[in-house]
Amino acid sequence: DVKVTQSSRYLVKRTGEKVFLECVQDMDHENMFWYRQDPGLGLRLIYFSYDVKMKEKGDIPEGYSVSREKKERFSLILESASTNQTSMYLCASSFRDEQFFGPGTRLTVL
Amino acid sequence: DAKTTQPNSMESNEEEPVHLPCNHSTISGTDYIHWYRQLPSQGPEYVIHGLTSNVNNRMASLAIAEDRKSSTLILHRATLRDAAVYYCILRDVQYAYSGAGSYQLTFGKGTKLSVIP
Repeated sequence: DVKVTQSSRYLVKRTGEKVFLECVQDMDHENMFWYRQDPGLGLRLIYFSYDVKMKEKGDIPEGYSVSREKKERFSLILESASTNQTSMYLCASSFRDEQFFGPGTRLTVL
Repeated sequence: DAKTTQPNSMESNEEEPVHLPCNHSTISGTDYIHWYRQLPSQGPEYVIHGLTSNVNNRMASLAIAEDRKSSTLILHRATLRDAAVYYCILRDVQYAYSGAGSYQLTFGKGTKLSVIP
């Protein structure tokens, strides 16, 4: 079975902190994605990557950056966390027609 | 981008069939229809997808209207574990396998399915 793991299920950070969210997939997928999910807004794409060191902006990239140094790992970085980045963050990887999601990280920024 | 319209919520009795509708009247000829679901406190999971013909897999069936302007996800016997938010998503097949951006999925608000014991 494909497995997508995220480094934390719950995270609490303070405003202004630098935050790293890590995602690892074990199926050698080329494509990886970061979404955030908020009540009433659904899932929104932040960034995606289709190869090592390659990245493209999604619909809401402002305030975020990403890193993909190895094929299996895709990191989401909040350079200076703000309260409006409190959300559920979901990582996914894909091969052809199907996306596989991790369990999510619920981030609270105080 | 072609949009989808789904009811906000639906209810079903356990062990009865469930038909979840999706309207996509502006679908283009190259759009695949994908369904994902999200169980409580979990990430979304793939359910099924199709282009023109009806599709079946171990989880569900997908019935696509002849004009492709609507589709229906069918769960043949609902269980309590099927209580989830179901998303109907269109993805343009002309970008398939072409690399950058080819697998973006745009999630709407979905249908929250409740299953009554």
